[in-house]
Amino acid sequence: KNQVEQSPQSLIILEGKNCTLQCNYTVSPFSNLRWYKQDTGRGPVSLTIMTFSENTKSNGRYTATLDADTKQSSLHITASQLSDSASYICVVSADGYNKLIFGAGTRLAVHP
Amino acid sequence: GAVVSQHPSWVICKSGTSVKIECRSLDFQATTMFWYRQFPKQSLMLMATSNEGSKATYEQGVEKDKFLINHASLTLSTLTVTSAHPEDSSFYICSARDNIWPSGIHYEQYFGPGTRLTVT
Repeated sequence: KNQVEQSPQSLIILEGKNCTLQCNYTVSPFSNLRWYKQDTGRGPVSLTIMTFSENTKSNGRYTATLDADTKQSSLHITASQLSDSASYICVVSADGYNKLIFGAGTRLAVHP
Repeated sequence: GAVVSQHPSWVICKSGTSVKIECRSLDFQATTMFWYRQFPKQSLMLMATSNEGSKATYEQGVEKDKFLINHASLTLSTLTVTSAHPEDSSFYICSARDNIWPSGIHYEQYFGPGTRLTVT
């Protein structure tokens, strides 16, 4: 069964600190892995997309890593800001075409 | 970047009435659009795939007669919740798939801002 699992479920950090969110997946075939940021009451916004041949990809203070062998990915947020408070969703595409498999997300709260 | 809009952003309706939600791709053409539902503190659940000019494909467990989807143009898809009930209250999000195959790897999906439906 295709699944995407994220940890932790929720996380609280202080402004300025770094944090790392985890994503494990069992999806086959694998096309690409995406990280999205979803603010409360808004639609998801893409942060990064990686194929199996990419190990790391950055978008500003966000850096995603992918280990296709162990089927693990992480999203590292550097120097967190209050505006980083959101849900971060790991999404795996099985066919690169339509089918997206969503993780449950990690709810991040950045406190001053 | 590509923008997807939804209208309305929120709606309150009475039980038994129907509600239409619009999803538009503003600066690109989308042959395929997707409709998702999201309950509080849960992730997105795909309801149906909408293809321009053809019938939508519904996920298992989604009633096609209750959730009517029309994709009449390359920039507009609509979701109509018919005979709404309180249990239909949810956050509905659409996404539009870019028709361009950027580098032979994947299509990008752009999400709308969502529509909060409350059925009283």
